[in-house]
Amino acid sequence: QQQVKQSPQSLIVQKGGISIINCAYENTAFDYFPWYQQFPGKGPALLIAIRPDVSEKKEGRFTISFNKSAKQFSLHIMDSQPGDSATYFCAASLVYKYIFGTGTRLKVLA
Amino acid sequence: NAGVTQTPKFRVLKTGQSMTLLCAQDMNHEYMYWYRQDPGMGLRLIHYSVGEGTTAKGEVPDGYNVSRLKKQNFLLGLESAAPSQTSVYFCASSYSGESPLHFGNGTRLTVT
Repeated sequence: QQQVKQSPQSLIVQKGGISIINCAYENTAFDYFPWYQQFPGKGPALLIAIRPDVSEKKEGRFTISFNKSAKQFSLHIMDSQPGDSATYFCAASLVYKYIFGTGTRLKVLA
Repeated sequence: NAGVTQTPKFRVLKTGQSMTLLCAQDMNHEYMYWYRQDPGMGLRLIHYSVGEGTTAKGEVPDGYNVSRLKKQNFLLGLESAAPSQTSVYFCASSYSGESPLHFGNGTRLTVT
């Protein structure tokens, strides 16, 4: 019940395309759903986050879509750029306990 | 502000050796965490602290110990390193239990 399942494991997108990463959770008590971006040799950094009382949140080219009934949420990267090439982790949190997905390695081709 | 600083950045140990990883944060955060990152397994919580002088076990605590004697520091110890502890270790901190995590840049540990 504590798992967060993330897919795909890796993703290759052309420059200007849309990158979509999906996550599913089981515990309905989770109340905070962040996405982290990690570049090689660096720690993960918060990209965007959502709480379950909204269905969508947009920040620039990055959008989280949240489906509470399906217990799924996804990250959409519009107009993907080579600089977006990184590993992306979704997470689900209840107070201070975070459960992370296994990560998606995104490569955006120039 | 340096944020979250981890030392050392790299370390190679022989099986059975011990070492301590240091995490320091200058953001006056209450909560601090140690995670390990392994390929295909995401980030798994080893131990965490909700304030100075407190520690608690996470998802994968076996073989590790921690201490939080000062609010700004969180130490992770390996008493007798094993090859299964080869990993990248990340420290993180947060202002409160509902605040975002701030990560350091990791320590890459190899146990031979």
